[in-house]
Amino acid sequence: RKEVEQDPGPFNVPEGATVAFNCTYSNSASQSFFWYRQDCRKEPKLLMSVYSSGNEDGRFTAQLNRASQYISLLIRDSKLSDSATYLCVVFRGRDDKIIFGKGTRLHILP
Amino acid sequence: EAGVTQFPSHSVIEKGQTVTLRCDPISGHDNLYWYRRVMGKEIKFLLHFVKESKQDESGMPNNRFLAERTGGTYSTLKVQPAELEDSGVYFCASSRTGRAMNTEAFFGQGTRLTVV
Repeated sequence: RKEVEQDPGPFNVPEGATVAFNCTYSNSASQSFFWYRQDCRKEPKLLMSVYSSGNEDGRFTAQLNRASQYISLLIRDSKLSDSATYLCVVFRGRDDKIIFGKGTRLHILP
Repeated sequence: EAGVTQFPSHSVIEKGQTVTLRCDPISGHDNLYWYRRVMGKEIKFLLHFVKESKQDESGMPNNRFLAERTGGTYSTLKVQPAELEDSGVYFCASSRTGRAMNTEAFFGQGTRLTVV
């Protein structure tokens, strides 16, 4: 089993809709969690960190469920510009290792 | 503050040739990572430096790949001799030593390597 798993999609969602995707991690020692966004042919860029209490940044909400070992990302009122690949990234503190999920491709349809 | 910079941005080489990729991390970041994304596949870990030491090189595909980090500053990744399957985008990332929560990694723009 991979240490970080995501549904690769693609998720094809009409503009204005709400979309959510999850990411599961297998190592309970994982320390920090992030969602990165990667546009075609570009480098991954941090979208948001994921805090234990959950956090919101505009239309984006991230949540962490340590008991079930998953994180989620919710995008409300989706825009065309949200089309990208969303990468779940787990930071394993004991050895400073950063582990990526495969990424979930999101297409927002006009 | 300058970000992570990688050089070159693109490289096209013939099979059998040698290529050296360079990464300059953010100043003060002890952790430096190399990743590779082959067309259509996920980002795969190659190796991790803490300062000048190789913390983990379990992702290096074979002995044609050699990574160094001189003095704990910039890093180079040499591929010699290059094969067709080495084509992809090579990303470098850096982060502070992470005992603190939410230690973010910053990525360079990547080097797109094409082996023909």
